[in-house]
Amino acid sequence: AQSVTQLGSHVSVSEGALVLLRCNYSSSVPPYLFWYVQYPNQGLQLLLKYTTGATLVKGINGFEAEFKKSETSFHLTKPSAHMSDAAEYFCAVATDSWGKLQFGAGTQVVVTP
Amino acid sequence: DAGVIQSPRHEVTEMGQEVTLRCKPISGHNSLFWYRQTMMRGLELLIYFNNNVPIDDSGMPEDRFSAKMPNASFSTLKIQPSEPRDSAVYFCASGYLNTEAFFGQGTRLTVV
Repeated sequence: AQSVTQLGSHVSVSEGALVLLRCNYSSSVPPYLFWYVQYPNQGLQLLLKYTTGATLVKGINGFEAEFKKSETSFHLTKPSAHMSDAAEYFCAVATDSWGKLQFGAGTQVVVTP
Repeated sequence: DAGVIQSPRHEVTEMGQEVTLRCKPISGHNSLFWYRQTMMRGLELLIYFNNNVPIDDSGMPEDRFSAKMPNASFSTLKIQPSEPRDSAVYFCASGYLNTEAFFGQGTRLTVV
């Protein structure tokens, strides 16, 4: 069975500093992996996804993630945090061919001036 | 496309009442998902459809919950009777094949 673990339910980062959000997955098949962002009182918005091919994936708003099969990881990074990055971030793995997603518990990001 | 449209955005109802949540997926998408989000349990998949057919309803918590997708452009999630523990944000999402799921803005349900 597929599952997702996000390390750290809350992360505080200074404006301009590196953002690093950790995600590890377990999957019995080659995974499709996703990062979503949720702003307050909003739905989830896709940041980026990995399906096949290049393991370094670039997404919106300057975020990128690297798929590392040997480490079963898909960590999300952004070189320089902006105040607008304050939100909750979810890592997810697709668990079947219809796109059913298993989500991690989420990481709340706080950006301090 | 306007994206996934959910209605209502907010619903407050009394315990025991029937609640119906509505979803219009993105045109052309063939998968539709209903998720529930709570502080305690995070994002839970309740049920999903492919080509209007329910594929997996194992996440539906009880028989009080039911979902339908009568056509490719409309789905409902019904709770009858509602209970306070059903209070949550309910999201509808749609997708095509195994691409990403696009989420609606959600319906915040409060059962008092």
